[in-house]
Parts: sequence; C-alpha cells; structure tokens
Amino acid sequence: AAGVIQSPRHLIKEKRETATLKCYPIPRHDTVYWYQQGPGQDPQFLISFYEKMQSDKGSIPDRFSAQQFSDYHSELNMSSLELGDSALYFCASSREGGEEQYFGPGTRLTVT
Amino acid sequence: GNSVTQMEGPVTLSEEAFLTINCTYTATGYPSLFWYVQYPGEGLQLLLKATKADDKGSNKGFEATYRKETTSFHLEKGSVQVSDSAVYFCALSGVHGSSNTGKLIFGQGTTLQVKP
Repeated sequence: AAGVIQSPRHLIKEKRETATLKCYPIPRHDTVYWYQQGPGQDPQFLISFYEKMQSDKGSIPDRFSAQQFSDYHSELNMSSLELGDSALYFCASSREGGEEQYFGPGTRLTVT
Repeated sequence: GNSVTQMEGPVTLSEEAFLTINCTYTATGYPSLFWYVQYPGEGLQLLLKATKADDKGSNKGFEATYRKETTSFHLEKGSVQVSDSAVYFCALSGVHGSSNTGKLIFGQGTTLQVKP
C-alpha cells in the first residue's frame, strides 16, 4: 500500500541558510500534519492543513512557513536556520474526519 | 492544557516476559487515545487506538484499555519478543468540544529493550 513520502530523507544545512521539506500524503488523504522531533524527545506538532487551508498551528517558529498545494502535497519552508532546528521532521496524513494519522519516514535535518 | 505522561524508560525485559507501559492523560474533553511505535531510524507506526471509554485497542498481541475513571491507557503484552524492541509513544487527539483539530499530543516515549 502507498505510504506517506517525504523528501529529502537527510538534509545538512549551515546556520542562517534555508531549507524546504516536502511531503506527499497517501492518495485520497486531504489532511497533512507536520511534527518536529528533537533528539530523544517526543514529536511536537507544528502545523496542519486540510483541503489546502491551514487548520491548526502549534509551536512553529515565525521563521517557518508551510503550505498545502492543489495536489495535496505539502512543503515546510524553514529560513534563518539555527542549530536548535536540527531534528527529525515528520509529516503525517489522514482522511477528512479520520482519526488515524499515517506517518512518513521523516526528514533528518542537521544544521551546522 | 492537554497532556500525556508515560512511565520513564528504558524498560529492559527478557524474551517472553510480560510488558506493561503506563500512560495517563489530562484532557478537558473526550480524546481518542493511541499507541505509536518507533523502530530505530524509522517513522512512527500506529500500533493501536481507542476512541471512547472502555474501548480496548489491540494489535500484534498488544492491548490497551481506555479507562476514563483513571484517565489511563496502559499498554500490555503477554509475551514480548526481541523484535518488539523499540520506542513506544502514547498519544491523544481530537478532544471533542474544544478547538483541537486532530493534532496528536505525545507522551515522552518509553524505550523497550527485549533481551534473548
């Protein structure tokens, strides 16, 4: 069965650079969630989209922005990267009204 | 606010031992409860869920019962295997009657190590 696809899987950036993470949800899933997981930490909710509109916002820095496109894929844009942004970034998708979220393999971002 | 608390790890067991990982939650409404498992270097996989009080979620020999009176959702397995070694996260979502929109709130995770 098709799963959530994230790209790239690994990304190394320097401080103050920008990064773009992409997420392709499971077909027919219209809701996308982004989570950040620091080393040894639990995943923290960043932002979510339903039908291309932002549906909820968590602890996402102002330096980050995200959107969902007409094909339902989503991109997380991160600017002025800081060392503390180094983490695993997960995308999850679900169907409208569905409570089960299906997670992608994550993008490991390392900021040096 | 809404939160999830798990027992601290790591939990180290011998193969075929009984497993319990405690999870309690705080929520203002009636959340759905989940257990996710994360194997090394991989994403989160849904293990089981329960959507209302007294529901029992089960999968792959793991079980958890939604206890509203004790606000708990403890994970159990009768006989663990080496392949069960992973990090287990308890989570809640969808607190009905609030503004939450399905985002998951996770506990801090419990590392399980099963030795042969």
